[in-house]
Amino acid sequence: EAGVTQFPSHSVIEKGQTVTLRCDPISGHDNLYWYRRVMGKEIKFLLHFVKESKQDESGMPNNRFLAERTGGTYSTLKVQPAELEDSGVYFCASSQGLQGAQHFGDGTRLSIL
Amino acid sequence: ELKVEQNPLFLSMQEGKNYTIYCNYSTTSDRLYWYRQDPGKSLESLFVLLSNGAVKQEGRLMASLDTKARLSTLHITAAVHDLSATYFCAVDMGSNYQLIWGAGTKLIIKP
Repeated sequence: EAGVTQFPSHSVIEKGQTVTLRCDPISGHDNLYWYRRVMGKEIKFLLHFVKESKQDESGMPNNRFLAERTGGTYSTLKVQPAELEDSGVYFCASSQGLQGAQHFGDGTRLSIL
Repeated sequence: ELKVEQNPLFLSMQEGKNYTIYCNYSTTSDRLYWYRQDPGKSLESLFVLLSNGAVKQEGRLMASLDTKARLSTLHITAAVHDLSATYFCAVDMGSNYQLIWGAGTKLIIKP
């Protein structure tokens, strides 16, 4: 069984540019989560999809961040325009049920110059 | 607001020794998770603790949950070098199911 995959693994862009991160969850997992870890800080929740619906987006920092999950399969997280404070590692996770372990991808390391 | 505190944040120990990592959280939750992360790698699920008094063991690691004390422990028995990693605990928010994370404990085990 393939795990959660994220693309790209690294992205370096300049302030003001746009970047789109992609996450492919484990097949059959309805729940998909995005988290972010800024250097030196705790991992923070961004949002939670159930299938294609946003269940909880209370962790999204501001309206420069847009997450989608069209068709309830893979998800994208777009940052437009990117700011310096957006640098960090963005993790995606998926789970089958709500109480089981969330399975994480390797993360996308985003660097804003 | 739910807060999760881990201690210690850094631990260097010799092989063969025992030690415990502590995870305290500030509000009621019945679900606590332990994850391991190797440098540059994904977060790997170790334990899911779903009720008061839950105890789970895998190899040299044992995790327990006391929901009344709002405390979970991750105990390492006779540590070996391969257990070197960063260990995170996380608590979910109940109905929201988002995970609130501790800062992580970086564990270095010296041969």
